[in-house]
Amino acid sequence: QVHLQQWGAGLLRPSETLSLTCAAYTGSFSVHDWGWIRQLPGKGLEWIGENNFSGYSNYNGALNSRVTISIDASENQFSLKMTSVTAADAGTYYCVRKAYGHAFDVWGQGTEVVVSS
Amino acid sequence: DIEMTQSPSSLSAYVGDRVTITCQASQDINNYLNWYHQKPGEAPKLLIYDASELEAGVPSRFSGSGSGRRFTFVISRLQPEDVGTYFCQQYDTVPSITFGQGTRLEIK
Repeated sequence: QVHLQQWGAGLLRPSETLSLTCAAYTGSFSVHDWGWIRQLPGKGLEWIGENNFSGYSNYNGALNSRVTISIDASENQFSLKMTSVTAADAGTYYCVRKAYGHAFDVWGQGTEVVVSS
Repeated sequence: DIEMTQSPSSLSAYVGDRVTITCQASQDINNYLNWYHQKPGEAPKLLIYDASELEAGVPSRFSGSGSGRRFTFVISRLQPEDVGTYFCQQYDTVPSITFGQGTRLEIK
């Protein structure tokens, strides 16, 4: 059974960089795409982006310039970096595995991110 | 971006009831539509993919249908553990993947 465990700093000041990492406990890391989704208060779920073993990435156009998702296949881990955070970026961030089509079938436990000066 | 509109935004039903949630896309998305259930304090869980395919391990009381712009999600006999929020998600226009705003389901 695939399990995702995520961690990272949850309290940031405006303009800082959000950095989260997710470990995938699976024997088939290289055959899947891995990504991040966030849940903003009052705004629902928002897809952030994804990457895979081959380095093929896709990002939400609204966040593209601030987001990087990187893969460390040697550790079965993937990471999210989001620069220049503001209060509008506060919410819960989930790492996910992308399955058939673009269904997200495995989710991390979530990290609550607070942005405050 | 494709806008996904769910209705109703919230509902309350009795255990054993049939519950129906709809999701309308702002443009044709073929059958590129998934459904999720989120219990309070937990991550969302995939229930239905490609509009009508039941995810492995998901009870058969859940079903989905539709194509094009209008989609339906049904719980045939509501159980207490089904409370929470249900989301639809389209992936017709990658990388512009979008979710519906959610439908909150409570037990009467």
